[in-house]
Amino acid sequence: NAGVTQTPKFQVLKTGQSMTLQCAQDMNHNSMYWYRQDPGMGLRLIYYSASEGTTDKGEVPNGYNVSRLNKREFSLRLESAAPSQTSVYFCASSPLTGTGNNEKLFFGSGTQLSVL
Amino acid sequence: AQSVSQHNHHVILSEAASLELGCNYSYGGTVNLFWYVQYPGQHLQLLLKYFSGDPLVKGIKGFEAEFIKSKFSFNLRKPSVQWSDTAEYFCAVRSSNTGKLIFGQGTTLQVKP
Repeated sequence: NAGVTQTPKFQVLKTGQSMTLQCAQDMNHNSMYWYRQDPGMGLRLIYYSASEGTTDKGEVPNGYNVSRLNKREFSLRLESAAPSQTSVYFCASSPLTGTGNNEKLFFGSGTQLSVL
Repeated sequence: AQSVSQHNHHVILSEAASLELGCNYSYGGTVNLFWYVQYPGQHLQLLLKYFSGDPLVKGIKGFEAEFIKSKFSFNLRKPSVQWSDTAEYFCAVRSSNTGKLIFGQGTTLQVKP
């Protein structure tokens, strides 16, 4: 059982380059999330998908796009990277049962992104 | 708009002291509430959660939290901290309608032996 698989683990981009962060979960979870973690700012929600076929903006969506390809996969795209997007990115999923049973976030291992 | 505020950014305690970390949220609908902990170099780990029922919830490692709906608060408590509790603590709030889950800025707890 792999859980949440996130790739790549490290990436260095030049300003203006584009890239896609991939995320897949094999737990049949409904909800998937993309966060960025910066020192002193906690985790900030970029985009989320409550269920297959739906995506919604989070707290800091500017400069990003997402795609919920199917129930398993939720990708994050940077169309034109900027130094302000240097961060650690985490994908997460949760069952979203509504009852609380087994309800918690399962995190990917993170992507450390540097934009020069 | 949904938001979460953690009042204490950095807390320093001696071992055996009592701990209370504040968390307030802003949201008009029904929420699910969580506390996560992140030990140095590790990923976030769920401490406890509130969905419904008894507003006093108990979690792992002796932590508990109380949901006070009228105050939009979900404070984390522990009667006696240990050096091993040194970590960063995050409060999180999820809209039960939309599934949107956001975190507070985090509180760094340093426990001196």
